[in-house]
Amino acid sequence: GAGVSQTPSNKVTEKGKYVELRCDPISGHTALYWYRQSLGQGPEFLIYFQGTGAADDSGLPNDRFFAVRPEGSVSTLKIQRTERGDSAVYLCASSLTGRGRSNEQFFGPGTRLTVL
Amino acid sequence: GENVEQHPSTLSVQEGDSAVIKCTYSDSASNYFPWYKQELGKRPQLIIDIRSNVGEKKDQRIAVTLNKTAKHFSLHITETQPEDSAVYFCAASIKGQKLVFGQGTRLTINP
Repeated sequence: GAGVSQTPSNKVTEKGKYVELRCDPISGHTALYWYRQSLGQGPEFLIYFQGTGAADDSGLPNDRFFAVRPEGSVSTLKIQRTERGDSAVYLCASSLTGRGRSNEQFFGPGTRLTVL
Repeated sequence: GENVEQHPSTLSVQEGDSAVIKCTYSDSASNYFPWYKQELGKRPQLIIDIRSNVGEKKDQRIAVTLNKTAKHFSLHITETQPEDSAVYFCAASIKGQKLVFGQGTRLTINP
């Protein structure tokens, strides 16, 4: 079946603007993760959803960042009042959870966000 | 919280030789350790993973070893090929939840 998809693939915005990044997980995957990857670094955890609820949002850097997953499938990462330091590739991943399930997280292609 | 250190940051080997990348972790509760390969401009792809109830796992030319006591794990690639050139990331997690990644190793295979 289809893998994890993310839109847009690239987003260029101006400092202070609001942006939304979308993630479509693999069908049936109950867990969804957002990571941020800066150039030359490993992905950095932002938030993890189990179903519709945020099970762990400890990685969100500040209150300008917010994410939702209202129906337990598609998720949107929202960034208010963007800053140049928010420029990075935002990666989404999904996985099956539950006893006996693989822990493998499948990553999407990412959204490259550039804040001018 | 969990901290993962990865070494070396760059590694260059001759085609056909072996490559070893090492990681250490800090949280003894971590029990799942995946390795991802990321080519330039592409998404991370899982190449092998290991759980804390085993000490070693192999898949063709790739193997991972885990030492729970010392809290370190390593990736071994044998008979390296040019297509193995990429950035490799180790990660650790508790029960497959959030992944904490190492800083990455840029592996170059010289023909």
